[in-house]
Amino acid sequence: KNEVEQSPQNLTAQEGEFITINCSYSVGISALHWLQQHPGGGIVSLFMLSSGKKKHGRLIATINIQEKHSSLHITASHPRDSAVYICAVRGDDKIIFGKGTRLHILP
Amino acid sequence: DTEVTQTPKHLVMGMTNKKSLKCEQHMGHRAMYWYKQKAKKPPELMFVYSYEKLSINESVPSRFSPECPNSSLLNLHLHALQPEDSALYLCASSQELDTQYFGPGTRLTVL
Repeated sequence: KNEVEQSPQNLTAQEGEFITINCSYSVGISALHWLQQHPGGGIVSLFMLSSGKKKHGRLIATINIQEKHSSLHITASHPRDSAVYICAVRGDDKIIFGKGTRLHILP
Repeated sequence: DTEVTQTPKHLVMGMTNKKSLKCEQHMGHRAMYWYKQKAKKPPELMFVYSYEKLSINESVPSRFSPECPNSSLLNLHLHALQPEDSALYLCASSQELDTQYFGPGTRLTVL
């Protein structure tokens, strides 16, 4: 079993829909990152969380430390949100990445 | 300046060549990272430099040799690579091992 599991693996939605991507982990962590990777390969760090909730524009990230679970939400989704969203957790001396969720927003 | 730059953007090399990838940041970050990413896979951490000292080496083959000349620069020296080393190589930096800022990557092809 992977130490970081993301769901769904692939998601196609219509423009304007509310999107939720989930990340569950089984190891002790000091922080959790949500990253966005576009088709060209460039990666943007969206959020770093150690507790609670963060919001940036149309993006919201939450984490529940007790349940070892985090969610990334996108409100009013847009075709430019199409990308791979990666959850990564930081443990003692390592960073473990999820396999990513491939999101495709249709116009 | 919140940018991490990487050069070159693309590199094609033979198995007997020696080449270097370069990464630079001017955000005053003291931790820098090299990742390798194969197509449709998540990035794999190769090296972490924290305060210019190698702190994590994920048992990467010796044909990859990192070098941190100063706190702004991180090089990855490549020698005698194999075709399976073809991948996107990403550099990132962070302050005190928190939020990482990624460069655009170098797409490496080994013939």
